[in-house]
Amino acid sequence: QSVLTQPPSVSAAPGQKVTISCSGSSSNIGNNYVSWYQQLPGTAPKLLIYDNNQRPSGIPDRFSGSKSGTSATLGITGLQTGDEADYYCGTWDSSLSAVVFGGGTKLTVL
Amino acid sequence: EVQLVESGGDLVQPGGSLRLSCAASGFTFITYSMNWVRQAPGKGLEWVSYISSSSSAIYYADSVEGRFTISRDNAKNSLFLQMNSLRAEDTAVYYCARERYDSGGTSFDSWGQGTLVTVSS
Repeated sequence: QSVLTQPPSVSAAPGQKVTISCSGSSSNIGNNYVSWYQQLPGTAPKLLIYDNNQRPSGIPDRFSGSKSGTSATLGITGLQTGDEADYYCGTWDSSLSAVVFGGGTKLTVL
Repeated sequence: EVQLVESGGDLVQPGGSLRLSCAASGFTFITYSMNWVRQAPGKGLEWVSYISSSSSAIYYADSVEGRFTISRDNAKNSLFLQMNSLRAEDTAVYYCARERYDSGGTSFDSWGQGTLVTVSS
């Protein structure tokens, strides 16, 4: 059971938009920055979003992040088949003194 | 180009020990905090341990506290994870991950390819 809660799967058609939610508590998301990772099949995770809504260089603006209270959201627009991957949210948990991740969300582009 | 290359993964019996290494290149290793993150087969990501740039701050996940030890050698641009009293549930791919330098929070901007640790008799 992960400290952060994500939907196990989401799907949408090519070109459409999808959002992935990440729910936590005041000890983690509520008082710390959130990051998002993309893990393509058979590869290492890749940082997509840091500090709630910042994109590292090289990440297209089709990917966006937001945070409100104890929840965070990853948005992906203009879906491509190459976006099919597992997506994870992560943050620091001040009560646990540990980094915590969501259980991951598998994105299918139909 | 930033590179993180893990090594040391192997098949080990329950109760055994293993030492993982991560060789860093392409950046000034001494200025970055580093982490180990693992992923059991078919499962999600699990953070394992953190070490600050000077080794002055170290944290562990409860699941490995007292059994695993993180360390680094800044002169050799290397990160290590000493794993003792291994259990079947420690079976996973172990990733070395660099913490983003200018982040206000905790984010990992570079990852190695991972090394597989299998604990089984």
